[in-house]
Amino acid sequence: DIQMTQSPSSLSASVGDRVTITCRASQGIRNDLGWYQQKPGKAPKRLIYAASSLQSGVPSRFSGSGSGTQFTLTISNLQPEDFATYYCLQHNSYPWTFGQGTKVEIK
Amino acid sequence: EEQLLESGGGLVQPGGSLRLSCEASGFTFSTYAMSWVRQAPGKGLEWVSGISSRGSSAYYAESVKGRFTISRDNSKNSLFLQIDSLRADDTAVYYCAKFELYHSPGFVSWGQGTLVTVSS
Repeated sequence: DIQMTQSPSSLSASVGDRVTITCRASQGIRNDLGWYQQKPGKAPKRLIYAASSLQSGVPSRFSGSGSGTQFTLTISNLQPEDFATYYCLQHNSYPWTFGQGTKVEIK
Repeated sequence: EEQLLESGGGLVQPGGSLRLSCEASGFTFSTYAMSWVRQAPGKGLEWVSGISSRGSSAYYAESVKGRFTISRDNSKNSLFLQIDSLRADDTAVYYCAKFELYHSPGFVSWGQGTLVTVSS
């Protein structure tokens, strides 16, 4: 099985900050990775697909990069509505696996 | 508008069974792979099971293999998850999700979730 190691598990940031979250795959997954945002009590929402493509309707301050085993989600100019938990998901091979999640909190 | 509506959750004793359902609308259900994803209270997301568009292939997480069975009825736009031999650590919100394979791979649509509680 492919393990997804996501870091950090949590971070504190201020409005306007630039935030970076990383996921490392235990083996190469090409660009078969997405990033999801989840707010308390809500279903996840996809932000990025194919590692670096922005989901329609998602603000351009969200961006993704990487391929193979190293992936990054960057949020530039953090906004109040961005405080949430973020997950990566690999769908390269079964069983698909999520990262452990990163909770972005207000400093 | 695409919609996924889960049902069937509830309180079950350890060792019991449940059948979760997910009714889809607003898209051509029979052309999409589907999955179940769960989230234990206060924990992260866990992919549980997936099924191909025609139902010919099914996949499971190691943690549920042999106890969970995914199926679908394309004539009724419905996805199912049969959960047997329930354990306390199966307690979670279970989401169904539509997987977009070609144009923008990943889970594009999610249901609101149904809560399964395993307790005596």
